[in-house]
Formats: sequence, C-alpha cells, structure tokens
Amino acid sequence: DGGITQSPKYLFRKEGQNVTLSCEQNLNHDAMYWYRQDPGQGLRLIYYSQIVNDFQKGDIAEGYSVSREKKESFPLTVTSAQKNPTAFYLCASSMRAGATEAFFGQGTRLTVV
Amino acid sequence: DQQVKQNSPSLSVQEGRISILNCDYTNSMFDYFLWYKKYPAEGPTFLISISSIKDKNEDGRFTVFLNKSAKHLSLHIVPSQPGDSAVYFCAASSQGGSEKLVFGKGTKLTVNP
Repeated sequence: DGGITQSPKYLFRKEGQNVTLSCEQNLNHDAMYWYRQDPGQGLRLIYYSQIVNDFQKGDIAEGYSVSREKKESFPLTVTSAQKNPTAFYLCASSMRAGATEAFFGQGTRLTVV
Repeated sequence: DQQVKQNSPSLSVQEGRISILNCDYTNSMFDYFLWYKKYPAEGPTFLISISSIKDKNEDGRFTVFLNKSAKHLSLHIVPSQPGDSAVYFCAASSQGGSEKLVFGKGTKLTVNP
C-alpha cells in the first residue's frame, strides 16, 4: 500500500524545545517537500529536496532544518529559533521535482505551549 | 509577492449547480497547474492538472480551463455535490524552473443540499 506517512498527527511541545516531525514515503519518489499551513495563508513551502543528500530552502525556511539521508525519509526539525511554530505541517512527495503532481501526507498539527 | 492568487476566500452553491473556482497567476514561467482539494486536518489530495500546452482538461465532473493570455485558470465542478465541500487550492510550477509548487491561499467551497 503505497503512500506518504507523517507522524505523529498531533504534537505538543514546550516553547524553546526543538521538535522533529517525521515524513516517510514508499512511492519511490525523488522529490520531497515540507509545507506549512496557517489559517488564511494557504500552503507555504519550508524546504524541498530533489534528491537524496540534497535540499533547498523554500520561502519560509528560517527556524527550520531538514535532512535527506534516505530517499524515503525527509524529517523536519522545528527549532527554538522559529518564532511562531504552532501550525499544521504537511509533507509531500512527487516523482520528480517540477511539473508532476505532489502527493501529501495527512499532516502534523504542532502546538507549542 | 503572491504568484498564485485565489481572490475568493469562499464560495457557496446549491447542490446540482455548477461551482466555478478561479485562480490567477503572475509568473509567466509557470507551465503546469494543479488543483488540490483539502478537508480540515487532512492533507490535500490531487484533483486535476493542466499543462500550458492545453486550454482544457476534463475528468468526470471536474474541468479545468486555462487562459494563458489572461494568466487565469478556473475549476468547474458540475454537478456540485455536498461531498465537494472543502477548501480548494490552486498550484503552479514551471517544468524547467523552480522545482517547486506554488500554492494559492485556497477557496472554501460549500455545497448546500
């Protein structure tokens, strides 16, 4: 059963703590993405990776970090430097970067208290 | 600078009628356009796409129209059903370019029984 899995679905953290969101795909896709959704803001790109061991900053990368050590995994770390970390985070993958549709995970709702 | 704009935050239609969701873009390098449907607390699901070499693409009740000269695309849903009630996101990418999808802010569609 191919797909893209994000875990956990809900995450609570204290202010000042780093937290890592998991994203795994078994679609054999080269490209993976992290988006953030805030009310009325649509989906904003945090980081994307076109291939293993390579990643690029998106539009709102400050306060976030990623790694792409394996093709199927693209974890996102929300660091204490991120000013407003509470949001809905979406991971996606596509066969290749560019003009192909991306498939999304179910999302992780991060709440920082 | 918003490259993909969905100027209507919400749209309400009666069941059985046509729903028309609009999207404008500013980047002339975009050559691939997608529509995604999203329910609350879930990841977006791909709906339909269109390449810039076409001006229309149809898939069942869903049709996307592209007007390149106006930098405008629209999604038509006929007939609308209550299960279509969701937020619809327009997205764009450039095949040889940015390697990333740029999303609009979304339009919330409500189909009333």
